[in-house]
Amino acid sequence: EDQVTQSPEALRLQEGESSSLNCSYTVSGLRGLFWYRQDPGKGPEFLFTLYSAGEEKEKERLKATLTKKESFLHITAPKPEDSATYLCAAPGQNFVFGPGTRLSVLP
Amino acid sequence: DGGITQSPKYLFRKEGQNVTLSCEQNLNHDAMYWYRQDPGQGLRLIYYSQIVNDFQKGDIAEGYSVSREKKESFPLTVTSAQKNPTAFYLCASSIGSGTYTFGSGTRLTVV
Repeated sequence: EDQVTQSPEALRLQEGESSSLNCSYTVSGLRGLFWYRQDPGKGPEFLFTLYSAGEEKEKERLKATLTKKESFLHITAPKPEDSATYLCAAPGQNFVFGPGTRLSVLP
Repeated sequence: DGGITQSPKYLFRKEGQNVTLSCEQNLNHDAMYWYRQDPGQGLRLIYYSQIVNDFQKGDIAEGYSVSREKKESFPLTVTSAQKNPTAFYLCASSIGSGTYTFGSGTRLTVV
């Protein structure tokens, strides 16, 4: 069964305190690993797509990396405006979303 | 600006009532999707459509119905057969690459 899990469920950081979010997947024939950001009460917003192990993508303070079994979203020197839920997803039989990591960055 | 518009933002349903959630896109995307989001769970696929006048059931289609009469529109009806409809509903569209554009969602509450 295609499955995407994320950890931790929630993460609280001080402004400037770097950390990483994890996304583990068991999807046969991976055709991309997707990261989205979701603000409260809104729809997810696309961040990155990674297609092969070793690939990295960056956007401002965020960097996504991919291995054969998991992906990491590294957040460097986060700011309060980075607070959101971060979702990862992978296309299996259907597009499978993880439950998300709820990130809070405190000033 | 191109995007997806969902309405209403908030919707209240009485027991035994059918309600319809609207989703309109002006991105010229062929594929459209409906997801349900519950606290602590990933988005779950209700229905999707790859082309006008055709749609497929997702993982949790029971108690829901859709239509796709126009490329731009993909309304979702939550029927009285859906016993636990309280949730946040998200509509999305894509050109097939897996990069979805989402609407702002409709929060449905049973009263």
